[in-house]
Amino acid sequence: GQQLNQSPQSMFIQEGEDVSMNCTSSSIFNTWLWYKQDPGEGPVLLIALYKAGELTSNGRLTAQFGITRKDSFLNISASIPSDVGIYFCAGQWETSGSRLTFGEGTQLTVNP
Amino acid sequence: DAMVIQNPRYQVTQFGKPVTLSCSQTLNHNVMYWYQQKSSQAPKLLFHYYDKDFNNEADTPDNFQSRRPNTSFCFLDIRSPGLGDAAMYLCATSRVGGAVLGNEQFFGPGTRLTVL
Repeated sequence: GQQLNQSPQSMFIQEGEDVSMNCTSSSIFNTWLWYKQDPGEGPVLLIALYKAGELTSNGRLTAQFGITRKDSFLNISASIPSDVGIYFCAGQWETSGSRLTFGEGTQLTVNP
Repeated sequence: DAMVIQNPRYQVTQFGKPVTLSCSQTLNHNVMYWYQQKSSQAPKLLFHYYDKDFNNEADTPDNFQSRRPNTSFCFLDIRSPGLGDAAMYLCATSRVGGAVLGNEQFFGPGTRLTVL
């Protein structure tokens, strides 16, 4: 079956460091989305990617839609304590209609 | 501000006692979704409404039902909650079709369900 893998599962970094996380899919995605979820809250959309090779920034966040359409990465530059949370990638396969498939998440901890 | 609203934020019910969670949206999106999320896991899609069309996921238990009386509101009914149904329930909306490029889903804050 179709699989979506997100790595790493967790990261412990110092404030000011840059962070990178990525997702790979076994099948082609039409859309890649990156969400952040704080404890007890719903996921918040950070970046949406629609085209292979697309590189999009949102403040200190940068994400790219891989050329093969099977992968995406999210970079966070100069991390700050409020970046703590769980980051999810999500994507839409060509055959999945309006459904999204979520990665398992990357738990980010930022030490001041 | 346009948003997705979920009520209540916290719900406590007893084992076997029916419970209804509600979701409303001011985004005028045509698709509404219900997800279940357990601790440290990704959200799991239960079902969604594409306009008035109900789409159930194959592995969603019959214990879970949904209603969408109009564009703005959607309800999740759990007929006989078990201890394993304790989770965060997330509602999301998206606009799909027409000239829309992708499927950006916007989530509400969630309802934390506790089953005693």
